[in-house]
Amino acid sequence: DVKVTQSSRYLVKRTGEKVFLECVQDMDHENMFWYRQDPGLGLRLIYFSYDVKMKEKGDIPEGYSVSREKKERFSLILESASTNQTSMYLCASSLAPPGGYEQYFGPGTRLTVT
Amino acid sequence: KNEVEQSPQNLTAQEGEFITINCSYSVGISALHWLQQHPGGGIVSLFMLSSGKKKHGRLIATINIQEKHSSLHITASHPRDSAVYICAAGRWGGSEKLVFGKGTKLTVNP
Repeated sequence: DVKVTQSSRYLVKRTGEKVFLECVQDMDHENMFWYRQDPGLGLRLIYFSYDVKMKEKGDIPEGYSVSREKKERFSLILESASTNQTSMYLCASSLAPPGGYEQYFGPGTRLTVT
Repeated sequence: KNEVEQSPQNLTAQEGEFITINCSYSVGISALHWLQQHPGGGIVSLFMLSSGKKKHGRLIATINIQEKHSSLHITASHPRDSAVYICAAGRWGGSEKLVFGKGTKLTVNP
């Protein structure tokens, strides 16, 4: 059974803290994604990684960075958390191109920044 | 204008009704995805299709490439079908990134 796991389901952090969200997949997928989901805005891509140490900015990368040191693990880092980063964060993975491959999602982390 | 538009935004149905959710897209696509998200967050892929029609149990997905339109149908709806249904387009050109619609919230009442 394919699996994408995320380090926390719920997280509460203070403004200015450095926050790490971790995602692990056990499917040997090349691609990994970080999204945030907000009411009325849908899913928006923050960062995408297509290989170890390789990354590409998504639609809303400002305030975030990522790290992929191992194929199965993709971390999202909020360098200095702000209240407007309160959101649901979802990780996903998929096989490499050709395009159109199914994405497998983790359960999500609901982050609240106070 | 969003590249992927879904309608309706919200849908309430009685148990047993036939349900249709629509998705229109303006980009060239390699595949069209339908996803389901239950309360609590987890997203599950229902279908990935690039032509014709696919069926899984009571769910049917169709796509018309010429009209850039896809539909998700649920036959004999049940309260457990209550969820948000999301349409996503995989852009043509080998990009693995998806463009998402804003979702349709379906509530099926007993």
